[in-house]
Amino acid sequence: DSGVTQTPKHLITATGQRVTLRCSPRSGDLSVYWYQQSLDQGLQFLIQYYNGEERAKGNILERFSAQQFPDLHSELNLSSLELGDSALYFCASSASSLGNQPQHFGDGTRLSIL
Amino acid sequence: AQSVTQLDSQVPVFEEAPVELRCNYSSSVSVYLFWYVQYPNQGLQLLLKYLSGSTLVKGINGFEAEFNKSQTSFHLRKPSVHISDTAEYFCAVSHSGGSYIPTFGRGTSLIVHP
Repeated sequence: DSGVTQTPKHLITATGQRVTLRCSPRSGDLSVYWYQQSLDQGLQFLIQYYNGEERAKGNILERFSAQQFPDLHSELNLSSLELGDSALYFCASSASSLGNQPQHFGDGTRLSIL
Repeated sequence: AQSVTQLDSQVPVFEEAPVELRCNYSSSVSVYLFWYVQYPNQGLQLLLKYLSGSTLVKGINGFEAEFNKSQTSFHLRKPSVHISDTAEYFCAVSHSGGSYIPTFGRGTSLIVHP
């Protein structure tokens, strides 16, 4: 058990819709990362938050947004969904934002767009 | 910029045989290196990490990896694999000196046959 909790585990929705994925980091971790995993693109970094503030951005689409709340949980919002957004979305957390800190991953949310 | 190449997308091996999963990286600065394992329907788990010091790093489940700076490699090895080692393995690199997002390789699927 990594200590990182993601909900929901599965999400099925239609094109054009909006969804929210939730992540609770491991206790004590201040940094939260969001990744998208698909067969063709591999593991793609989307965005990082550290102690409530956005710290780094990766290949995140403008239709996607995220935030980290004062209690350190984070939400990833995906809007105007397209078929290509179907993927596994992982949240990871680490104690700090330094490069020597390993990340602890949740079990992911599998998003299926019909 | 840094990059990670996992040379084999799939490695089939028989149970109790040795295995090596290859990882090469490129970076213009000092690096931290990680191997993660992903079992089906789960998130990534840290296997081992190299931060500094001894170039031979031992991890969980009998795995070890050797950092070779001259060849910019961090290959993962296990002397005798089990069926339960069947999983996806990811190499990741981040750099020293502050906040930096790790770059993950595309992954190697280890398939252990009885």
